[in-house]
Amino acid sequence: DGGITQSPKYLFRKEGQNVTLSCEQNLNHDAMYWYRQDPGQGLRLIYYSQIVNDFQKGDIAEGYSVSREKKESFPLTVTSAQKNPTAFYLCASSGGQGYTEAFFGQGTRLTVV
Amino acid sequence: GQQVMQIPQYQHVQEGEDFTTYCNSSTTLSNIQWYKQRPGGHPVFLIQLVKSGEVKKQKRLTFQFGEAKKNSSLHITATQTTDVGTYFCAALPLTGNQFYFGTGTSLTVIP
Repeated sequence: DGGITQSPKYLFRKEGQNVTLSCEQNLNHDAMYWYRQDPGQGLRLIYYSQIVNDFQKGDIAEGYSVSREKKESFPLTVTSAQKNPTAFYLCASSGGQGYTEAFFGQGTRLTVV
Repeated sequence: GQQVMQIPQYQHVQEGEDFTTYCNSSTTLSNIQWYKQRPGGHPVFLIQLVKSGEVKKQKRLTFQFGEAKKNSSLHITATQTTDVGTYFCAALPLTGNQFYFGTGTSLTVIP
């Protein structure tokens, strides 16, 4: 069953701790993305990767880090430097460079207390 | 930076009424995509528009891309309760390599 999987669905962390969100896809897509969604706002791009071992910052990369060691995986680390980390995080993948549809995971809702 | 505005932010309609959401870009676009996100869910791709003035239909949904490729609209005819959700446009600038999402329009359909 092909798709994109994010885990966990809900995550709670204490302030000051780093946390890593998982994103795995078996669609053989080259491009992967991380978005942040806040209530009443659209999706804002954090990081994206168009090929293995390469990634670029999106509009709100500060306080986040990523890696792309495998085509299937694109984990996102929310560091303690992120001032307002509580949000809904969505991972997506697409088959081409910005010209094809994006497939989204189910999302991870991160709450920092 | 790239600005993508969507209006309205919220829309409540009676079941059977029509609904339209508009997406406006500050710059000329290469193409535009539309997504639907059900409450508690994730965005799901609906369609992509590429050509100036393009009109595409999916059953009760009609998508348009403006002649200047700076705006787009999604129109739903005779809404049903299954249409409930937030509709997002995602715009690819002519000189860019990433999509910029609009703020979304949240549709509520009253039975």
